[in-house]
Amino acid sequence: EAGVAQSPRYKIIEKRQSVAFWCNPISGHATLYWYQQILGQGPKLLIQFQNNGVVDDSQLPKDRFSAERLKGVDSTLKIQPAKLEDSAVYLCASSFRATADEQFFGPGTRLTVL
Amino acid sequence: AQSVTQLDSQVPVFEEAPVELRCNYSSSVSVYLFWYVQYPNQGLQLLLKYLSGSTLVKGINGFEAEFNKSQTSFHLRKPSVHISDTAEYFCAVAEGIYNQGGKLIFGQGTELSVKP
Repeated sequence: EAGVAQSPRYKIIEKRQSVAFWCNPISGHATLYWYQQILGQGPKLLIQFQNNGVVDDSQLPKDRFSAERLKGVDSTLKIQPAKLEDSAVYLCASSFRATADEQFFGPGTRLTVL
Repeated sequence: AQSVTQLDSQVPVFEEAPVELRCNYSSSVSVYLFWYVQYPNQGLQLLLKYLSGSTLVKGINGFEAEFNKSQTSFHLRKPSVHISDTAEYFCAVAEGIYNQGGKLIFGQGTELSVKP
């Protein structure tokens, strides 16, 4: 089966610009996650969707970050405006259910903010 | 609040030697524990997980881990490592299955470097 797809793989922008990342989860997976992984740290959950509803966005900086999951399938994560500290790898993951099921991760998008 | 501590940031080891990557967690509820591996420029891949039952869990690529409730630990072990095991390893804890869980709390990672 196809894995979790993400694009772009790399993005370089200047601070105060906006950027968007796209994720296509594994077919049939109800739950989708966006993680931020700063260099030298473990991934940190930004937002969790169950179908197209938000389950947990407690660690999403809502003044600059937004995310949506249209029709309960694909998802986009946007940053506007970007700050230097947003430089990180943004990982998308999906799982069959919103339980302790295995989460399958995409390759990530590496964002560099100059 | 749940948290995960990986006690070693880097572990160098020679090929065919045994290795142990240490992980401690804190949680006030039932825990579900995971080890993920991340190869360079790739996403995370599940190595093994503990949900319930036997405290010794076997995973892919010859790795195993032991859940120790009294010591709140979930250390990862492999009796003989290969060059291809060089990667970053993450320990994670998930919220209980009976709530809206699925949220993973990750440790900061351990870089395993296998030398010939």
